Amino acid sequence: GIQVEQSPPDLILQEGANSTLRCNFSDSVNNLQWFHQNPWGQLINLFYIPSGTKQNGRLSATTVATERYSLLYISSSQTTDSGVYFCAVDSYGQNFVFGPGTRLSVLP
Amino acid sequence: DGGITQSPKYLFRKEGQNVTLSCEQNLNHDAMYWYRQDPGQGLRLIYYSQIVNDFQKGDIAEGYSVSREKKESFPLTVTSAQKNPTAFYLCASSITGSYGYTFGSGTRLTVV
Repeated sequence: GIQVEQSPPDLILQEGANSTLRCNFSDSVNNLQWFHQNPWGQLINLFYIPSGTKQNGRLSATTVATERYSLLYISSSQTTDSGVYFCAVDSYGQNFVFGPGTRLSVLP
Repeated sequence: DGGITQSPKYLFRKEGQNVTLSCEQNLNHDAMYWYRQDPGQGLRLIYYSQIVNDFQKGDIAEGYSVSREKKESFPLTVTSAQKNPTAFYLCASSITGSYGYTFGSGTRLTVV
């Protein structure tokens, strides 16, 4: 089945810094989502982005499907951005496969 | 507001007991999913259902059972056959065709 890798596994930032999270996948995908899991465990959908670029406030994402990767950009990070960021991909008729996540800690 | 409701938030089980986790959605989504998350780990698929009265095993179905008698409901039973059930369980739903997942807030199960 499709393999999903995320990097870095852990990231510590000072408040106000920018960051880039990466998701690599091993096969063509039909769908791709980025999620944020807050410290209470709730998974929040950030972007549905099988290709192209989207922006929502301080967050943006780019997926280059032909090169099998997606990037999540966080600008001017805040302590509330802390948590785990997951990338999940769906490879044509298969269920979503989740990456291992990037654990982000934003320090005040 | 539409969404997914999981209950209870916390559940304690004695060894040898079966317990059932509830998942209800009012999003009119056809597909529903159960995932397990262990501390510091990603999500692993237990079971999924794309239509009422039909469901399929995911990657780690052993020791679990589900039913899908109504479109809105997809309960998960953790049986005594599951040797290491302590984990965080997440339910999700989607429109068939995977136009993105919506997750519930999870149930944290602990064996005591």
